[in-house]
Amino acid sequence: GQNIDQPTEMTATEGAIVQINCTYQTSGFNGLFWYQQHAGEAPTFLSYNVLDGLEEKGRFSSFLSRSKGYSYLLLKELQMKDSASYLCAVRDSNYQLIWGAGTKLIIKP
Amino acid sequence: SAVISQKPSRDICQRGTSLTIQCQVDSQVTMMFWYRQQPGQSLTLIATANQGSEATYESGFVIDKFPISRPNLTFSTLTVSNMSPEDSSIYLCSVERPRRGMNTEAFFGQGTRLTVV
Repeated sequence: GQNIDQPTEMTATEGAIVQINCTYQTSGFNGLFWYQQHAGEAPTFLSYNVLDGLEEKGRFSSFLSRSKGYSYLLLKELQMKDSASYLCAVRDSNYQLIWGAGTKLIIKP
Repeated sequence: SAVISQKPSRDICQRGTSLTIQCQVDSQVTMMFWYRQQPGQSLTLIATANQGSEATYESGFVIDKFPISRPNLTFSTLTVSNMSPEDSSIYLCSVERPRRGMNTEAFFGQGTRLTVV
């Protein structure tokens, strides 16, 4: 079966750095996405990786290792507004998006 | 980007009744996707709605329970039929658009928070 694993919840301090990991086992791979979802709202796109390596976009970076079936989302200079759930999703060989359960990130002052 | 208007945003319904959720997209799309997101869980694809043909349902979801309409390329509805408390969830419609540097990106409606009592 297809599976995406990410931690259920993480806590970090305002101004610090946090890394959210995602491991996946899917039938084929056509890219990995990270989405942010604030409570009561729809998910919004953060990043996309299809090749190995690091993609940097402002305070957010995403890393991919296809051989290890592994990705992480790195958030720097954390702000209170970064408190949200972060969803990892992989597009499989059928081009269907397979979603992780999300990591709830709690930012403390 | 894509602008997706989904309504209602929330509803509280009696068991045994049905609720129809509407999704309007700001431009034409071939496929529209309906997801369910139960508390603390991942997005689960219910079905893919194609204009002019029957929706394609994922394992565990059937047309009698979740009938879908797709009358044109910008609109779709999902009905949750004969509701029970287990149907309490957030329902999301989604479309995918090409994005520079990747195949497609998913955009979501605001979601419908359904509570069945």
